[in-house]
Amino acid sequence: NAGVMQNPRHLVRRRGQEARLRCSPMKGHSHVYWYRQLPEEGLKFMVYLQKENIIDESGMPKERFSAEFPKEGPSILRIQQVVRGDSAAYFCASSAGTGGKNSPLHFGNGTRLTVT
Amino acid sequence: GENVEQHPSTLSVQEGDSAVIKCTYSDSASNYFPWYKQELGKRPQLIIDIRSNVGEKKDQRIAVTLNKTAKHFSLHITETQPEDSAVYFCAASNTGTASKLTFGTGTRLQVTL
Repeated sequence: NAGVMQNPRHLVRRRGQEARLRCSPMKGHSHVYWYRQLPEEGLKFMVYLQKENIIDESGMPKERFSAEFPKEGPSILRIQQVVRGDSAAYFCASSAGTGGKNSPLHFGNGTRLTVT
Repeated sequence: GENVEQHPSTLSVQEGDSAVIKCTYSDSASNYFPWYKQELGKRPQLIIDIRSNVGEKKDQRIAVTLNKTAKHFSLHITETQPEDSAVYFCAASNTGTASKLTFGTGTRLQVTL
């Protein structure tokens, strides 16, 4: 089992460019979550998706950020017109169910976004 | 929404001693409390979790206790080893509704020889 796969591991973008972060959940997992971690801080929830559906996006900034989990292919977190404050580690997690005891969240290795 | 506070932010113990990390939560509807260990530059890894119908859970050198009345839960690591050095995060969620975890701000544990 390859686990949760995220790519790229590192991404450098100039201000104003777009960043696309990809996440393939663990085999058999249909629930995907995106979290953001600023340096020396905890993880902040951004969005929870199932195939073709956004279930909870209460942690997503209202502008420039979007996420999708299409029927085929990985989940994508897209950040348009990046700013320096977007620099962070973005972690994807997946679960078989709703993240309870019997379906805990498994995290990927993260994508470290640097905006110059 | 849920708010999770975690203390201490840093903790240094000698090898073989015990380490205790404490968290409090605000939402009485929260019913699932996992703990994650994150080594530098790596992914958070689940080390133990507890549900609200249980007061204590143990797995070898790691134990977690939960006090629902006081809304706090703690991680206990006994006989610490250098490889226990990492940042530890507590989290809480209400799995009956949203599935998002609210994380504490982390505790950097340093186990010294």
